[in-house]
Amino acid sequence: DADVTQTPRNRITKTGKRIMLECSQTKGHDRMYWYRQDPGLGLRLIYYSFDVKDINKGEISDGYSVSRQAQAKFSLSLESAIPNQTALYFCATSSTGSPETQYFGPGTRLLVL
Amino acid sequence: KQEVTQIPAALSVPEGENLVLNCSFTDSAIYNLQWFRQDPGKGLTSLLLIQSSQREQTSGRLNASLDKSSGRSTLYIAASQPGDSATYLCAVSNSGYALNFGKGTSLLVTP
Repeated sequence: DADVTQTPRNRITKTGKRIMLECSQTKGHDRMYWYRQDPGLGLRLIYYSFDVKDINKGEISDGYSVSRQAQAKFSLSLESAIPNQTALYFCATSSTGSPETQYFGPGTRLLVL
Repeated sequence: KQEVTQIPAALSVPEGENLVLNCSFTDSAIYNLQWFRQDPGKGLTSLLLIQSSQREQTSGRLNASLDKSSGRSTLYIAASQPGDSATYLCAVSNSGYALNFGKGTSLLVTP
């Protein structure tokens, strides 16, 4: 089984809808991250969490919110989706002991119409 | 703000060739630099991580170098194979956790 899983893998939604992307990990890591990747652009950090009670905004947090329900689960929500949020979203994890080594999930491809 | 640039954006080589991918960054006060491989539908896989105090790292046919003062890193792939076809991403960290990614180099190795 994969160490970092993301659901759904693909999602099509309409403008204005609320949508949640979920990430789960079995690596026992305390740190979790959400990134988005747009065609022709590098990955950009949306939010990161160092533990259940420590959540921080990344480079592009506007329009997004997150929830760290447990050490192993980190969800990303789009409160009111808009077309320019169409992108590939990645979740990643790392440990405090080795924070620079991040393990990525397979990604969620989101299309907002 | 750290800016990471990768050249070339795309590269096609015949099997067996040695090749070099380039990465440059604007802020030399880095914590570490990583090279990732991205395969469609499979997320990112870390290939090599170079700490700021190191000059290079090697793993099998891969060798990554770091010249912090000039803001450059190279990924050298020896004896390329079709299975090496993927997008290669360079990521720089100034903090030890947040990564700044380049746009990637798309590599195609033809049989």
